[in-house]
Amino acid sequence: AQKITQTQPGMFVQEKEAVTLDCTYDTSDQSYGLFWYKQPSSGEMIFLIYQGSYDEQNATEGRYSLNFQKARKSANLVISASQLGDSAMYFCAMRDVNQAGTALIFGKGTTLSVSS
Amino acid sequence: DVKVTQSSRYLVKRTGEKVFLECVQDMDHENMFWYRQDPGLGLRLIYFSYDVKMKEKGDIPEGYSVSREKKERFSLILESASTNQTSMYLCASSLDRGREKLFFGSGTQLSVL
Repeated sequence: AQKITQTQPGMFVQEKEAVTLDCTYDTSDQSYGLFWYKQPSSGEMIFLIYQGSYDEQNATEGRYSLNFQKARKSANLVISASQLGDSAMYFCAMRDVNQAGTALIFGKGTTLSVSS
Repeated sequence: DVKVTQSSRYLVKRTGEKVFLECVQDMDHENMFWYRQDPGLGLRLIYFSYDVKMKEKGDIPEGYSVSREKKERFSLILESASTNQTSMYLCASSLDRGREKLFFGSGTQLSVL
């Protein structure tokens, strides 16, 4: 069965620092997709970044990048130059892109706190 | 702008009541999902649907049912609400079975007393 593991319940950083949020996954499939979502205190889920298992380069979206290490089955989110507005819960998720009807499975999340 | 709308932001019900949580999307998406979110457990999939009148069980379907009579609407039903169903419920949709991202509603915080 597929599984997503986020081992850091909470992370604390100061403004302008870079931070890495860890995510490891388990799947026996060759084709899959990895996602990161942000959930601020308002509760909305905001899509941040996507990485396909066959993508050769690490995905980047502005200050967000995904450090994809396929052999290690890890998909860490890197946030460069943290801002106060980055304080939120972050979820790693995975979908098998081949199987019909398969939905995203999520990790338990990491709470990021950014201080000034 | 894409939108997934959940009918209620907060809901308080009594044990044994039948509860309907409604979700509507205006993006003509094929797939719709219901998750529940609990502290320390992340998001867990209850049910999903990839077509009208189709439904698939997720990881925790017990105590829930769903209805998808129209493409844009996906309802979650608690046949007889119990206190352990107190949770945040999130509805989401996606365009198709490819790699497109999920679009989420703002959530319904359900309290069962």
